[in-house]
Amino acid sequence: GEKVEQHESTLSVREGDSAVINCTYTDTASSYFPWYKQEAGKSLHFVIDIRSNVDRKQSQRLIVLLDKKAKRFSLHITATQPEDSAIYFCAADASSGSWQLIFGSGTQLTVMP
Amino acid sequence: DTTVKQNPRYKLARVGKPVNLICSQTMNHDTMYWYQKKPNQAPKLLLFYYDKILNREADTFEKFQSSRPNNSFCSLYIGSAGLEYSAMYLCASSRSGAGAEQFFGPGTRLTVL
Repeated sequence: GEKVEQHESTLSVREGDSAVINCTYTDTASSYFPWYKQEAGKSLHFVIDIRSNVDRKQSQRLIVLLDKKAKRFSLHITATQPEDSAIYFCAADASSGSWQLIFGSGTQLTVMP
Repeated sequence: DTTVKQNPRYKLARVGKPVNLICSQTMNHDTMYWYQKKPNQAPKLLLFYYDKILNREADTFEKFQSSRPNNSFCSLYIGSAGLEYSAMYLCASSRSGAGAEQFFGPGTRLTVL
């Protein structure tokens, strides 16, 4: 079955710099790749996603890139702010059209002033 | 209101005793999910309901049961808790269909002694 690996368990950046979180997946049939954010003491919530019919998606300061050949996708946060500090989880659908999400183990992002 | 509620927030259980966790949502979502999350690990899907149809993961099939008496409520039941069940249990809900955003509750932290 699908496996999702999140490469950075922790990441620290200076406020205003960019942060990049990388994930890889194993199942070439996966077609949906969401990202979730968990701030301290709060629930996971959706931030952005990308589907396999595109290789780039941007929402304000968030950019998601998808490299289907390498089975890799990444979250880029530009002009980081202290409120971006959180745990970020990448995920992939278990197979194309599946409702099941396979999550990565999370990256703790710290934005330092 | 995009809130998913979970009760209790903290649960202490003895080995061998049953545990019942509750989740509710008012978004009229027809799909509800239960995940288990241990520290530094990915959220792991245990089961999900689409309407009244229960789908359980093969490797947790015998360990967890669930019921959904109506669209808004879903429970997770452990018949006989073991030490390995100590974890955060996350409930989520979504509209039906692949690629639907999942809305997560705050979680129930279960400690088995």
